[in-house]
Amino acid sequence: AQSVTQLGSHVSVSEGALVLLRCNYSSSVPPYLFWYVQYPNQGLQLLLKYTSAATLVKGINGFEAEFKKSETSFHLTKPSAHMSDAAEYFCAVSDGGGKLIFGQGTELSVKP
Amino acid sequence: GAVVSQHPSWVICKSGTSVKIECRSLDFQATTMFWYRQFPKQSLMLMATSNEGSKATYEQGVEKDKFLINHASLTLSTLTVTSAHPEDSSFYICSARDIAKLGTDTQYFGPGTRLTVL
Repeated sequence: AQSVTQLGSHVSVSEGALVLLRCNYSSSVPPYLFWYVQYPNQGLQLLLKYTSAATLVKGINGFEAEFKKSETSFHLTKPSAHMSDAAEYFCAVSDGGGKLIFGQGTELSVKP
Repeated sequence: GAVVSQHPSWVICKSGTSVKIECRSLDFQATTMFWYRQFPKQSLMLMATSNEGSKATYEQGVEKDKFLINHASLTLSTLTVTSAHPEDSSFYICSARDIAKLGTDTQYFGPGTRLTVL
């Protein structure tokens, strides 16, 4: 069975500050890991994905995430937050079979 | 980039009526589509996996007779909420798996459909 835990349902940062959203996973098979962003009343947009290639994954909008097997983590970072980054972020895991298991989500607020 | 559309984007209906939601992959083919339900301020809950040309696979606890899924072509899946009740009010999101990118398990999400049952 697979599961995802996102630490912190809400994270608040100042504009220009580092963004760090935490995700830990559990999987009995090599996982595929994803980060998605959701703006209010919209669907999900893929930020980045890990599929067993490079452990440091770069995504859109300046985000990146590092797969750490020893820590079963896939934290999302961005060096400098922008106001437009305020949204809900979801970490997800799959076994490659298509079924995504989502974390609880983390709401990111960016203060001016 | 790959685009998935949903129609309608929002719908209000009376209790007891049925509502059909369409999910279309616009520029790629999808043998598999997924239907999710999202309550306010919560995560996405997978309801069912829609397979082109065969029966959908429902997650535990999801009533298959209430949430009818049809995947008649490689670009269209429909979710019908039958005899809707206020507790069915939710945000329904579909995703489509690109058959050309199965190795990366790439899915694209629709914009969602807001269902309100009065």
